[in-house]
Amino acid sequence: DTGVSQDPRHKITKRGQNVTFRCDPISEHNRLYWYRQTLGQGPEFLTYFQNEAQLEKSRLLSDRFSAERPKGSFSTLEIQRTEQGDSAMYLCASSFETGLNGETQYFGPGTRLLVL
Amino acid sequence: GQNIDQPTEMTATEGAIVQINCTYQTSGFNGLFWYQQHAGEAPTFLSYNVLDGLEEKGRFSSFLSRSKGYSYLLLKELQMKDSASYLCAVRDFPNQAGTALIFGKGTTLSVSS
Repeated sequence: DTGVSQDPRHKITKRGQNVTFRCDPISEHNRLYWYRQTLGQGPEFLTYFQNEAQLEKSRLLSDRFSAERPKGSFSTLEIQRTEQGDSAMYLCASSFETGLNGETQYFGPGTRLLVL
Repeated sequence: GQNIDQPTEMTATEGAIVQINCTYQTSGFNGLFWYQQHAGEAPTFLSYNVLDGLEEKGRFSSFLSRSKGYSYLLLKELQMKDSASYLCAVRDFPNQAGTALIFGKGTTLSVSS
């Protein structure tokens, strides 16, 4: 049983460059979430997919950010023209829609981004 | 608006009991979660409450009062490995589509010998 995996685990880039992160959810999970976490803060919701459909995007997700989940399995998060303020841990989580209250999100190890 | 408050830091000694409080103000409510996060690692699920009362799971228990917008996480028989950040999160459904969570800033617990 493998959990949520993310790649890369660390990324250092220069301001203005584009970066792409990948998330592989738990295999039977149909929901996938992206969160961003900065030091001393809790995770903040960015966007979520149900299967391949992107159903909600947070106001935090500027036009420079785009996420895809083309086949309803893995997902990518791309940041274009990175800024120093984008430096954060990017967390992916997945869950299985149960229609019940107890649906639980399981988090991956995160990708730590540093923009110089 | 949406607001989740937790103490920033707490300290305790091995073997003791500690209670981490969380108060929330959200437009909707469909469950409260507690996660544990060690430094540099992903949050791991600890507990879930949707109805009022106490849920017990080994050394960890979580309590919810929906009328008061209040929850606590109780950790018993503390061990050094319990030193971590504890995150309180609320599912603000149906005001936020899907099941996205709103997190507090976390409580950093330091356990000393």
